[in-house]
Amino acid sequence: SQTIHQWPATLVQPVGSPLSLECTVEGTSNPNLYWYRQAAGRGLQLLFYSVGIGQISSEVPQNLSASRPQDRQFILSSKKLLLSDSGFYLCAWGRQGDTEAFFGQGTRLTVV
Amino acid sequence: SQQGEEDPQALSIQEGENATMNCSYKTSINNLQWYRQNSGRGLVHLILIRSNEREKHSGRLRVTLDTSKKSSSLLITASRAADTASYFCATVYNAGNMLTFGGGTRLMVKP
Repeated sequence: SQTIHQWPATLVQPVGSPLSLECTVEGTSNPNLYWYRQAAGRGLQLLFYSVGIGQISSEVPQNLSASRPQDRQFILSSKKLLLSDSGFYLCAWGRQGDTEAFFGQGTRLTVV
Repeated sequence: SQQGEEDPQALSIQEGENATMNCSYKTSINNLQWYRQNSGRGLVHLILIRSNEREKHSGRLRVTLDTSKKSSSLLITASRAADTASYFCATVYNAGNMLTFGGGTRLMVKP
């Protein structure tokens, strides 16, 4: 069966520090991969998606970047965090040609 | 931007009652999905309804889709305290295959 791992679960970082959130998927190959951000009590905003290694599409301009160095690894990064980067970050995967998404447990990021 | 909007934003009911949540969207869709999120956790897929379907059932869940009104509803029958969660609709538009989520309905079921 397929599983998705996202870590860390919580993170507190100072303003101006770098960020690296990692997401890995097991049990499938060539998945679509997604990073979403969720503000408190709000819906999900799609940040990045990837249909293959090295292929990253950005949905919104921001202080963040994403990379896919391996087929089942998706990394969300920032060189310098802003206070506005605080939020709940969710990684998800989906099968090629399918739209159903399977989510990780999320990372709650607090920038102080 | 959010293309799907849920209504109401919050709903509080007693255990055993039915809960109805609505979702409206703006443009033509391929399908519409409902997800559930427990507090502070990831989302779990509940049900998918395609644009050529009008109603779908899964256990205590009933989803309807009215493409003429660009709306969908999720009905949870005989609610339980364990149904307490946020529920989101997500749409896939004809122009692409990305999921776009609404703001969610926070459901509280009181025992």
